Amino acid sequence: DSGVTQTPKHLITATGQRVTLRCSPRSGDLSVYWYQQSLDQGLQFLIQYYNGEERAKGNILERFSAQQFPDLHSELNLSSLELGDSALYFCASSVGLAGYYEQYFGPGTRLTVT
Amino acid sequence: QQQVKQSPQSLIVQKGGISIINCAYENTAFDYFPWYQQFPGKGPALLIAIRPDVSEKKEGRFTISFNKSAKQFSLHIMDSQPGDSATYFCAASKKDNFNKFYFGSGTKLNVKP
Repeated sequence: DSGVTQTPKHLITATGQRVTLRCSPRSGDLSVYWYQQSLDQGLQFLIQYYNGEERAKGNILERFSAQQFPDLHSELNLSSLELGDSALYFCASSVGLAGYYEQYFGPGTRLTVT
Repeated sequence: QQQVKQSPQSLIVQKGGISIINCAYENTAFDYFPWYQQFPGKGPALLIAIRPDVSEKKEGRFTISFNKSAKQFSLHIMDSQPGDSATYFCAASKKDNFNKFYFGSGTKLNVKP
C-alpha cells in the first residue's frame, strides 16, 4: 500500500458527461501528479500541483482541469467526456517539488465512457 | 512524438534467466531516468533510478545500464523469478523540469516457472 488513496475505484459514465476523480496524497507529501494510462498510449503525465499551486503541465486536454486544495487532496475534473477518455487515471504524490523525489502511485480510477 | 521509446512490448523469460528491457531517448536535456514496476490492478512503483553521471546502478537483482553517447538505457533483471512478472516502464525527466516525466510505452514481462 503506497499511502495514496484514490476514489472512486471504478466509474462508468456516458459521453458528454462530467466526472470528478479524487486523490489524497501520502501524509506529508506536498506534490500531487495526475497520469492517464490507456492501452494504446501507455502512461501520460497530465499535470502536477505542489502545495496548492500548478507547477507542471503535460498532455492535458482543455476539457480536463485539476486543483489541489488546502488540505492537499486533489481533484481531476473531466468534462464533455468522449469514448477515447476511457482509461486508468493515476494520482501520485511525492514529498518535494522536483521529480527525482520518489513518486508514490495510488491504485488508480478506471474510467469507462460509454 | 514519443520522447522515450521502449522495447520490447512483451517479454517471456524462463525462471532463472536474464530479462532485458531497453529504452532510447533523443532529448539530451534528460537528466534522470527511473524505472517503474506495475503489477496488475496496482499503480506503478519506483524500482530503481539512475542519473547520467554513472554508467551502471545495481540494486539486488536489478541493474540499470546507461549509455549516454548512444542515448540508451536498459534494465536487466538477473535470476528472473515468476514474482517479477509485471509491466515495466522506463521514464525520463529534464534537469530544468524534473516535475515532468516522459514514460516509455511499457514492457509486459512474463517469467515462466
